[in-house]
Amino acid sequence: GNSVTQMEGPVTLSEEAFLTINCTYTATGYPSLFWYVQYPGEGLQLLLKATKADDKGSNKGFEATYRKETTSFHLEKGSVQVSDSAVYFCAFRMDTGRRALTFGSGTRLQVQP
Amino acid sequence: EAQVTQNPRYLITVTGKKLTVTCSQNMNHEYMSWYRQDPGLGLRQIYYSMNVEVTDKGDVPEGYKVSRKEKRNFPLILESPSPNQTSLYFCASSTGLARTGELFFGEGSRLTVL
Repeated sequence: GNSVTQMEGPVTLSEEAFLTINCTYTATGYPSLFWYVQYPGEGLQLLLKATKADDKGSNKGFEATYRKETTSFHLEKGSVQVSDSAVYFCAFRMDTGRRALTFGSGTRLQVQP
Repeated sequence: EAQVTQNPRYLITVTGKKLTVTCSQNMNHEYMSWYRQDPGLGLRQIYYSMNVEVTDKGDVPEGYKVSRKEKRNFPLILESPSPNQTSLYFCASSTGLARTGELFFGEGSRLTVL
């Protein structure tokens, strides 16, 4: 069935380190891909998205590229800040069925000064 | 300001006492949905609605009911809550049904059932 696999956390980095959070998906069809971020005590906010193969989504220094051949959408940032500490969710959405977002289990990022 | 508003944000209740979590969006969105978030499981869809009077089950609908009498409101009803419904609940909405549309989330309602 449809699913999203994310690397398990927590991921602990020092400020200004390079970040990669891996995400792969299994979907019967052609999804749009999303990264959502959840800061402590808050709801989910869209971080970036990509709607077709080879598209790159970017926002706030974060980037992810839609790789159809490897069914991946890895999140990267060149230099993380303490304020990036949050839980990051990879997700996809299809044009058919329930139109739901299918989420990964989330990856907690902790950035230390 | 465009937003999805949930109430209550926090609730502690006892087994069997009916409760309703309200959800309202001011963006004229057609699509609305409820999710629950549990540690290690991500978010799972409970129910969704593609328009007024059109609702259907998601991945984990047991123990929940919904209604969509107006476009802006989509309440989640727990007729007889049980401890396994202790969770963090999110309401979300989206314009249209296309896969390209992002979902906008409320701030969440943390429910504890004793």
